[in-house]
Parts: sequence; C-alpha cells; structure tokens
Amino acid sequence: SQKIEQNSEALNIQEGKTATLTCNYTNYSPAYLQWYRQDPGRGPVFLLLIRENEKEKRKERLKVTFDTTLKQSLFHITASQPADSATYLCALTGGGADGLTFGKGTHLIIQP
Amino acid sequence: DAGITQSPRHKVTETGTPVTLRCHQTENHRYMYWYRQDPGHGLRLIHYSYGVKDTDKGEVSDGYSVSRSKTEDFLLTLESATSSQTSVYFCAISGTSSTDTQYFGPGTRLTVL
Repeated sequence: SQKIEQNSEALNIQEGKTATLTCNYTNYSPAYLQWYRQDPGRGPVFLLLIRENEKEKRKERLKVTFDTTLKQSLFHITASQPADSATYLCALTGGGADGLTFGKGTHLIIQP
Repeated sequence: DAGITQSPRHKVTETGTPVTLRCHQTENHRYMYWYRQDPGHGLRLIHYSYGVKDTDKGEVSDGYSVSRSKTEDFLLTLESATSSQTSVYFCAISGTSSTDTQYFGPGTRLTVL
C-alpha cells in the first residue's frame, strides 16, 4: 500500500542552525510534492511545491529537494528561528482529482 | 488568507444525531476537499468535489456524505454521529487543478459524546 513517512518524534534544533526534515514515500509515483506548515489550532499553510523533474526548490530560508530514485524529499530551514517552530507536513499527489495525500507531520522545535 | 470559512468552529453533539458542517469559499475555486485530522493519523481525505454536483469519496468516507449545489459551498454531513467521528475537520480548496496548492480553512472541532 502507499505510504508516506515523516519523523514522528519532535525535532529539536538550536536557533540559528539548519533544520532538516525528511519525507520518505513508498508505492507512489508522485508528480508533485508539497510542504505545508501547521500551527496549533490552525489549518495547514502551503510553503513550497516541487515537481518530479525538479531536484531542488528554494524560497527565502527554505529549501526542498526531491529525489525520485530514493523516494525522498528533504526540507531545510536555514538560520532557524523560534518562530519556525511548528508541525511540517509533506504531501504527495499523483495528479488525480483526489488531490493530496499527507504525511503525519514532523513537530519542529527551535530553541533559543 | 484565502477566503475560506468553516462553520461552526466548535460543536458538541450526542451519538446518533445528524451533523452538518459547512465550508464556504469566496475564491471561485473548482476543487474542494474535506479532511479529518486525528492524533497519530494526520490529515485524511473524507470526500472531495471537482465541480458543482460532482463529488467523490476519499480514504475515510464511511459514515459521511457531502453535497455541493453551488461553487462556493461544500457541505459535510454525518448522518448519525458516532464517537469515532470526534475529530478536527478541515475544508480545503484548490484552483486550476487537483495538483495545485491547497488552501485550508480554520477547522471545525467536533466532539461526539
């Protein structure tokens, strides 16, 4: 069956360091991969989208890589800040009308 | 923020009662989705719509029905609520295609006693 795995344990990073989150998937051939941020009590908010023919995408302090051979995406936050503390969700789509399938998310904590 | 609202934001109901949750958008987006989010499970798709009167089932559709009579409104109905349907429900919309970015509403916290 199709499966998306993200680190289930919280990730603690010291302020100023680079945070790296991992999304692994199996039994998928996703055309697109997206990353979302979710704060407590709020809906997810879109951050970045990367297509299967793209290796890397950047937006300000954020960088996403997509390796379809390893079936893995890495999400990096450079110069991390306490305000970056949140749960980060990986989502995949095969292009069908049913949209995205989400991973369970990784809780990131940036410590001052 | 995308123009998407959900109502009610909180609801407590009893087992066996019908419940309807409403999602309203002002973006004229074609695609609308209902998800539930539970600890340990993440976001799971319940139903989705790809146009007015066009809907289909998602991963966890049992016990739920939906309707979309207008572009802007997508209703989720629990015909006879059960305690296992206690959850946070999110509506989402996307525009040009199903692979497009999804914009989420603020969520509805539903408790079934």
